[in-house]
Amino acid sequence: NAGVTQTPKFQVLKTGQSMTLQCAQDMNHNSMYWYRQDPGMGLRLIYYSASEGTTDKGEVPNGYNVSRLNKREFSLRLESAAPSQTSVYFCASRMESGGGGYTFGSGTRLTVV
Amino acid sequence: GEDVEQSLFLSVREGDSSVINCTYTDSSSTYLYWYKQEPGAGLQLLTYIFSNMDMKQDQRLTVLLNKKDKHLSLRIADTQTGDSAIYFCAEETGNTGKLIFGQGTTLQVKP
Repeated sequence: NAGVTQTPKFQVLKTGQSMTLQCAQDMNHNSMYWYRQDPGMGLRLIYYSASEGTTDKGEVPNGYNVSRLNKREFSLRLESAAPSQTSVYFCASRMESGGGGYTFGSGTRLTVV
Repeated sequence: GEDVEQSLFLSVREGDSSVINCTYTDSSSTYLYWYKQEPGAGLQLLTYIFSNMDMKQDQRLTVLLNKKDKHLSLRIADTQTGDSAIYFCAEETGNTGKLIFGQGTTLQVKP
């Protein structure tokens, strides 16, 4: 099983450009999450989708949008990238709440210049 | 609101025990987790504990939970150089499945 697959692995954007980070899982998980990781700040939740067809804001949603395309795929879009969005982005999924935790992708390292 | 705190750095010698500490604020936490992140990789689930348990042991890993003080610790016995990584604790509250992560503790293991 591939688990959680994120693309691309690396990306450099100019300020103001847009892009979509892709995430897909093959474990039939219901819930999917997008986090950003910054030095000394741990992981902060951007958006999540508790089930197919639903999305909700997390701790730091400003500047991002998401789409739960189907049960497998959950994409994160930056409409107008800013240097403050330079970060490592992780997608994660889980079957349901209550033990077991997340399965994480390997991350997308994004630099906005 | 929910908050999870960890110290940022721990250095130990190979063969010693490592203890990584974590505090959290939400008394309604249901599960608490420990994740490991190696350089350039995603987070890997190490272990987790249900909030009505005090201790959980899994090979070299021992998790202790003091619910009264909202304190969680991860003890790694016989620490090896391969244990060098960033360790994150996380709490799960409510029924949304969201996890709140601490800042991560970088464990350095010296030969």
